[in-house]
Amino acid sequence: QVQLQESGPGLVKPSETLSLTCAVSGYSISSGYYWAWIRQPPGEGLEWIGSTYHSGNTYYNPSLKSRVTISVDTSKNQFSLNLSSVTAADTAVYYCTRHPTGSGYCYPWGQGTLVTVPS
Amino acid sequence: EIVMTQSPATLSVSPGERATLSCRASQSVSSSLAWYQQKPGQAPRLLIYGASTRATGIPDRFSGSGSGTEFTLTISSLQSEDFAVYYCQQYNDWPPMYTFGQGTKLEI
Repeated sequence: QVQLQESGPGLVKPSETLSLTCAVSGYSISSGYYWAWIRQPPGEGLEWIGSTYHSGNTYYNPSLKSRVTISVDTSKNQFSLNLSSVTAADTAVYYCTRHPTGSGYCYPWGQGTLVTVPS
Repeated sequence: EIVMTQSPATLSVSPGERATLSCRASQSVSSSLAWYQQKPGQAPRLLIYGASTRATGIPDRFSGSGSGTEFTLTISSLQSEDFAVYYCQQYNDWPPMYTFGQGTKLEI
């Protein structure tokens, strides 16, 4: 079955760039679906960050668009998130997931990775 | 941005009873509505999409209904493993601007 696994630093300094990778197994990224990042600050709700297709078509949450880049590496069957100029407000568990083309329900999800930006 | 509002924030129910969770959209999202379950320390799990279609492997005690701006998730007979936080999500926007409700905590 499809599995997703996030990886990356758990601590990022303020003003630096947060970089995470999501490795996909059991399914080829090039076969379809949009691949997405969603985050959840501690004790809070879920926020969609953005989604990308293997062709490079990418959409971002307007509130983060100026700082976010999501990219796909089909050769490694993985996709990545870069979030620049981070502050303590970017501290969250970051999840990777996928959703069908033309629809937005997400399944399955990676286990999530906590990224802390100290204040 | 479409704002999703869930009620109540916390719902206290006994095992074996029925639970009804509500989700309201600030504008119509047609049937582009999903429900997720999240347990402590775990990722969300898709329960319902298209407002009423159960995801693969989801027990039939979970059901979704509604369209437009008003949606409901019903759990017909609560099991111990159902106590969790539930989120609704709209995905009606294109280009995508997906938004989630703030969650309902279902507690014993």
